[in-house]
Amino acid sequence: QKEVEQNSGPLSVPEGAIASLNCTYSDRGSQSFFWYRQYSGKSPELIMSIYSNGDKEDGRFTAQLNKASQYVSLLIRDSQPSDSATYLCAVKRTRGGYQKVTFGTGTKLQVIP
Amino acid sequence: NAGVMQNPRHLVRRRGQEARLRCSPMKGHSHVYWYRQLPEEGLKFMVYLQKENIIDESGMPKERFSAEFPKEGPSILRIQQVVRGDSAAYFCASSPGQTSNEKLFFGSGTQLSVL
Repeated sequence: QKEVEQNSGPLSVPEGAIASLNCTYSDRGSQSFFWYRQYSGKSPELIMSIYSNGDKEDGRFTAQLNKASQYVSLLIRDSQPSDSATYLCAVKRTRGGYQKVTFGTGTKLQVIP
Repeated sequence: NAGVMQNPRHLVRRRGQEARLRCSPMKGHSHVYWYRQLPEEGLKFMVYLQKENIIDESGMPKERFSAEFPKEGPSILRIQQVVRGDSAAYFCASSPGQTSNEKLFFGSGTQLSVL
């Protein structure tokens, strides 16, 4: 079982729709969760972080965390073509006395005009 | 407001040569992570360093690869005797410390091409 799992996609949504990106993780001791956006040929850019169960909203983005189900998601409302990118889920947990960050393989999102 | 600085942006090497990739973390950050990314794939953890210490190198191949983060100067990822399979984007990220809420900030990456 991978430590952080994401559906590779591509996930195609029409412009203006809600895009829903999902991520599961294997270590119940994981403490912090991040979503990064990566445009083709560019470096990952942090867009959301979440640390406790529930929802966290920032503009058109909402991160949702359910530690019991070991599940974190990212919702993008009113999707725009400029949102087309790969979205990487990252999980931070304590391993060997220090914090380790592991990334999923990413979900490619395509927003169709 | 300098972010994480990586250089060079593009590096071309012939098989058997050495590649040196540099990373200067953000000001005030003492933790550096190196990741490798192949086309259409995710970020694969290689090594985590603090100043003068390698904390976790579990993702780095035992042969030909080494990393350092000296007291002064940038972190260096060194690949000796490169092979075509080393061609990838190498990203460096930094964070201020080790509390669980601290985020990673990425540099622009170095694209290594081995001919």
